[in-house]
Amino acid sequence: DQQVKQNSPSLSVQEGRISILNCDYTNSMFDYFLWYKKYPAEGPTFLISISSIKDKNEDGRFTVFLNKSAKHLSLHIVPSQPGDSAVYFCAAYIIQGAQKLVFGQGTRLTINP
Amino acid sequence: DVKVTQSSRYLVKRTGEKVFLECVQDMDHENMFWYRQDPGLGLRLIYFSYDVKMKEKGDIPEGYSVSREKKERFSLILESASTNQTSMYLCASSSEQPQHFGDGTRLSIL
Repeated sequence: DQQVKQNSPSLSVQEGRISILNCDYTNSMFDYFLWYKKYPAEGPTFLISISSIKDKNEDGRFTVFLNKSAKHLSLHIVPSQPGDSAVYFCAAYIIQGAQKLVFGQGTRLTINP
Repeated sequence: DVKVTQSSRYLVKRTGEKVFLECVQDMDHENMFWYRQDPGLGLRLIYFSYDVKMKEKGDIPEGYSVSREKKERFSLILESASTNQTSMYLCASSSEQPQHFGDGTRLSIL
């Protein structure tokens, strides 16, 4: 039972353009969402998060959008840079629960020069 | 900066062996986690601990156990390694979110 789903295993974007990574969830109890970035041979690093009381959060080139009614979130990267090539994981958890994160399968983003 | 250190980057073991994976964090975090990462499956939680000597099962605990004798150290134990436990193992720690990850141990069971 995959509670957090990233349906695109891979995405290829030209440098300078916008990258949009999508994530869907099924558990309506989730109230906090995070995006992690992972390079090969390194652990995931935290990128950006959003609480369910918001619908948008920005940090520099990265913006996360949350649509609670659709149970959908997306990560926008603009402009995309070659260093953004990595695997991106979305994750969710319940604030009043244990500090357990539920991860999606990941999307491999490739930025082409 | 938070540092989560996993004792081995690469490990090769044989079927039936008892395998220990070690993780140490330097930020006095209460919570520590063990995940495995497999292609197409993302990160799946094996076990976590919210205090010394406390442990909770995650989503895929079968075939694994854990030990947390000191706050900074969380060990994952494969009681009798099997080939389907070949994977990337990731340790994480946190007080609140976000979790901070180590660089992983790529474990091969032959």
